[in-house]
Amino acid sequence: GQQLNQSPQSMFIQEGEDVSMNCTSSSIFNTWLWYKQEPGEGPVLLIALYKAGELTSNGRLTAQFGITRKDSFLNISASIPSDVGIYFCAGQVGDYGGSQGNLIFGKGTKLSVKP
Amino acid sequence: NAGVTQTPKFQVLKTGQSMTLQCAQDMNHNSMYWYRQDPGMGLRLIYYSASEGTTDKGEVPNGYNVSRLNKREFSLRLESAAPSQTSVYFCASRVSRGTNEKLFFGSGTQLSVL
Repeated sequence: GQQLNQSPQSMFIQEGEDVSMNCTSSSIFNTWLWYKQEPGEGPVLLIALYKAGELTSNGRLTAQFGITRKDSFLNISASIPSDVGIYFCAGQVGDYGGSQGNLIFGKGTKLSVKP
Repeated sequence: NAGVTQTPKFQVLKTGQSMTLQCAQDMNHNSMYWYRQDPGMGLRLIYYSASEGTTDKGEVPNGYNVSRLNKREFSLRLESAAPSQTSVYFCASRVSRGTNEKLFFGSGTQLSVL
């Protein structure tokens, strides 16, 4: 089945630094989503991308839907301690309906921020 | 709004015991999902229910059963727990009309099978 390759697996950065992570796939996706998971909680949606080339921001977060539709990246600018968590990318292959409409998740990027 | 509510939060079972994880959503979503999360494996889909009255297998369904009790509730049952089922389980829901793909998650159930 489809797989998402998310990198890096983990990052240790200093407060104030910028962060970049990405997901790639051998398959084309119609939708890319980025989630953040904090300890003891479920993932929470950060950004949703619907069109190839789309660039969307949410505060200090910026994500882009790759032109080839096979990749996406998430940038966090001027990181702060509360950015700590695991960030997941997720892609949807087809339109909603049947298994093709289900989300496929990357394995996550664990972010640690040193004050 | 409570969103997606899962119970219990923590559970310890002995091998061979059975249990049911409960999930309810109050967002009037049509679709509901059960995922498991293991270190380094991300989120893997166990079962899903695209609408009330239907259920389908996901990526890792073996050892599990589900019941879509009504539009709000979707339960996951382990009939005979095994140590390999030690994991964190998440229930999720979303609207199914159009291409609204946004998935909302519960806070998880941490299950240990000894």
